[in-house]
Amino acid sequence: RKEVEQDPGPFNVPEGATVAFNCTYSNSASQSFFWYRQDCRKEPKLLMSVYSSGNEDGRFTAQLNRASQYISLLIRDSKLSDSATYLCVVNMHQAGTALIFGKGTTLSVSS
Amino acid sequence: DGGITQSPKYLFRKEGQNVTLSCEQNLNHDAMYWYRQDPGQGLRLIYYSQIVNDFQKGDIAEGYSVSREKKESFPLTVTSAQKNPTAFYLCASSTQQGGGGETQYFGPGTRLLVL
Repeated sequence: RKEVEQDPGPFNVPEGATVAFNCTYSNSASQSFFWYRQDCRKEPKLLMSVYSSGNEDGRFTAQLNRASQYISLLIRDSKLSDSATYLCVVNMHQAGTALIFGKGTTLSVSS
Repeated sequence: DGGITQSPKYLFRKEGQNVTLSCEQNLNHDAMYWYRQDPGQGLRLIYYSQIVNDFQKGDIAEGYSVSREKKESFPLTVTSAQKNPTAFYLCASSTQQGGGGETQYFGPGTRLLVL
């Protein structure tokens, strides 16, 4: 069973659309959660951390459901510049572990 | 201007050759990491180091070696034992790993190609 699973997409949406990405993780000991954004042939960059209470940053909203081991990212009013791959990332906070990355979900926003 | 630098941007390796990828950070971070990314795949951990002069194997360490002689530097050597080295190599750093959900920051990456 894969540790972090994401729908690879691609998600093709028009500008202004609302799009949601989902992610599931297998290890219930996971304690920190993040969404990273990766542009084509570039390094991943932190988009936002995900907290149990849910958090919002402008057009982006992240939610965490620990009981279902499920993380989501909602993007409202999509822009062309949102086109990228979105990586779901989990940290178990155990000695000897680093971040565990999903394979990413690709978003393409068109005009 | 703090950050992580990786060099070179592109690297070509001949059969049987060892090559070294550079990673330097001036963020005063304790922990550093090397990942490999293949097309359509997630990042996979090669090696990581939590403090100077100490490092641990990640999930795919075979065919690779590292050193951590200075806090700022964590070079990765791709040895001839790595039979499929073509990939995008990413270096990252974070504050001391160990329970705080530390964010990792990435360098721009090195693309390694086999001739």
